[in-house]
Amino acid sequence: EVQLVQSGAEVKKPGESLKISCKGSGYSFTSYWIGWVRQMPGKGLEWMGIIYPGDSDTRYSPSFQGQVTISADKSISTAYLQWSSLKASDTAMYYCARTVWGSYRSPFDYWGQGTLVTVSS
Amino acid sequence: QSALTQPASVSGSPGQSITISCTGTSSDVGGYNYVSWYQQHPGKAPKLMIYEVSNRPSGVPDRFSGSKSGNTASLTISGLQAEDEADYYCSSYTSSSTHWVFGGGTKLTVL
Repeated sequence: EVQLVQSGAEVKKPGESLKISCKGSGYSFTSYWIGWVRQMPGKGLEWMGIIYPGDSDTRYSPSFQGQVTISADKSISTAYLQWSSLKASDTAMYYCARTVWGSYRSPFDYWGQGTLVTVSS
Repeated sequence: QSALTQPASVSGSPGQSITISCTGTSSDVGGYNYVSWYQQHPGKAPKLMIYEVSNRPSGVPDRFSGSKSGNTASLTISGLQAEDEADYYCSSYTSSSTHWVFGGGTKLTVL
């Protein structure tokens, strides 16, 4: 069974760093892209970026380029989303998701349960 | 402002059919057959309902169908059921460096 399990909720202060994780199982982790999607409170979905764990090829939406870093450790089948300096506007639910096939032109068929990040002083 | 435009809300009675539109441009919806639709219930992760304009993943009821004409894609749900009440998001691959864009979402209410 394909599963994406994300790390737990985080409460951070502005300026702090954070790295959240997404562990894949039940499939070949290096053969599919893993993307990250933001959902701010009461708002819609936003595509942030995507990584191919097989070779770490990474693409970002211009809205998120330079604001976050997407990475993956294929040895432990885990993808990451990290911030070096959080802002209050980063408060949101973050989902990781797997592509249907091995291309970044693919939609997402399996999703993690989401990680709620709250940034508040 | 989302890249793709959806109506904020639609409603229908059980058994009826509804259609949700998703309007983009020739750089996204009109330029590719990579249009997808997601269903999201409150507090849950999105679920893929339609991909490549009109394909249903395994397990999605055939009451859900998708189509596209020009720069506008549509999701039709026939035989509405109470459990269809949710938010629906369209998504399209785009030639811009954004790669993928979502619509703003449509809240479906089953009366």
